[in-house]
Amino acid sequence: QSVLTQPPSVSGAPGQRVTISCTGSRSNFGTGFDVHWYQQFPGTAPKLLIYTNNNRPTGVPDRFSGSRSGTLASLAITGLQGDDEAVYFCQSYDSALNGWVFGGGTKLTVL
Amino acid sequence: QVQLEESGGGLVKPGGSLRLSCEASGFIFSDYYMSWIRQAPGKGLEWIAHVTSSGGTTDFADSVKGRVSISRDNANSRLYLHMSNLRVDDTAVYYCSRHGVKPAATWFDSWGQGALVTVSS
Repeated sequence: QSVLTQPPSVSGAPGQRVTISCTGSRSNFGTGFDVHWYQQFPGTAPKLLIYTNNNRPTGVPDRFSGSRSGTLASLAITGLQGDDEAVYFCQSYDSALNGWVFGGGTKLTVL
Repeated sequence: QVQLEESGGGLVKPGGSLRLSCEASGFIFSDYYMSWIRQAPGKGLEWIAHVTSSGGTTDFADSVKGRVSISRDNANSRLYLHMSNLRVDDTAVYYCSRHGVKPAATWFDSWGQGALVTVSS
């Protein structure tokens, strides 16, 4: 059971917009800790996609955006492309656990 | 360009020990917090250990506390994870990761390719 809750899967057609939710609690998002997002393709290491809620590292397309409000965070992907098909993880820090925590991951399928 | 390269993975028997190494390059290693994160086969990501830039403070997940230690050699840009009393459920790919810039440092901006540790009799 992950500390941050994500849907196991989402899907969308090419060109569409999809969102992936990440639900936290009082001891992580509720305390003000930020959410970060990672993209992972099969057999490879995760890659940082969004940091501190809505910032993109250099090289990440602006089709990817993030938001956080209260204990709920979201990753939005617009203009869906076939090579967006991957697993997406949210992550934060938890003050009750005194450690960094992840969501269980959401597999994005491009139809 | 930032590079992190893990080594030391392999097959170990339950109750055994292992040391993973991570060689860092392309950045000033001593400026950054570092962590180890693992991923069991077909599962999600689990942070397990962290060390501050000086090496003076460490933190561990409850799942490995007492069985794992983390250390670093800033002179040689290396990070280590010592694991003992290994269990079957420690089987995973272990990633060396660099934290984002301080003071927040709550995200992981670079990852190694991972080292597979298999615990089996």
